[in-house]
Amino acid sequence: AQKVTQAQTEISVVEKEDVTLDCVYETRDTTYYLFWYKQPPSGELVFLIRRNSFDEQNEISGRYSWNFQKSTSSFNFTITASQVVDSAVYFCALSEDRGFGNEKLTFGTGTRLTIIP
Amino acid sequence: KAGVTQTPRYLIKTRGQQVTLSCSPISGHRSVSWYQQTPGQGLQFLFEYFSETQRNKGNFPGRFSGRQFSNSRSEMNVSTLELGDSALYLCASSLNRARANVLTFGAGSRLTVL
Repeated sequence: AQKVTQAQTEISVVEKEDVTLDCVYETRDTTYYLFWYKQPPSGELVFLIRRNSFDEQNEISGRYSWNFQKSTSSFNFTITASQVVDSAVYFCALSEDRGFGNEKLTFGTGTRLTIIP
Repeated sequence: KAGVTQTPRYLIKTRGQQVTLSCSPISGHRSVSWYQQTPGQGLQFLFEYFSETQRNKGNFPGRFSGRQFSNSRSEMNVSTLELGDSALYLCASSLNRARANVLTFGAGSRLTVL
């Protein structure tokens, strides 16, 4: 069975500090997909990134970066120079490869990030 | 373009009643998924519909059901409501043209059962 663990329940940092959100996953599949979503107070989940299991390249998008390591089954997310607008709950999620059209995501429990001005 | 629209946004019901939630996907998206979010269980997959057919179902009792219409709009129904059904119900849609599609979520319907 799939499982996603986000051990950090809540994190608070002062604005402009860097912060890393941890994500550890479990799956028996050799092909799978990993996601990060952000949930602001308004409630909708906002897509941040998707990674497949064959692509271990780190990715950077502006102040956001992701470190995918299959050896440790981790897919960590770093925000550089955090801003108050980054305050939200962040979810890591895992999807098995069941062919086209698999929309079932297994989510972690989320990390509530608070950026203190 | 318009996002995923869920109605109603908030509703209060009492135990034993039933509720129907509606989801209008992004235009052109044919897949609609539903998730339940609670403080205790987190985000859990309910079911997914594509071309009016349920393709995948999560581990929920039969009181939870859904359907999809020919215009891709979807509804989910919960019958005989229990206190534990209080949750944020999130709908998501996707283009469904690849493996592990990116889901676009709506703002959710927050259900309170008294």
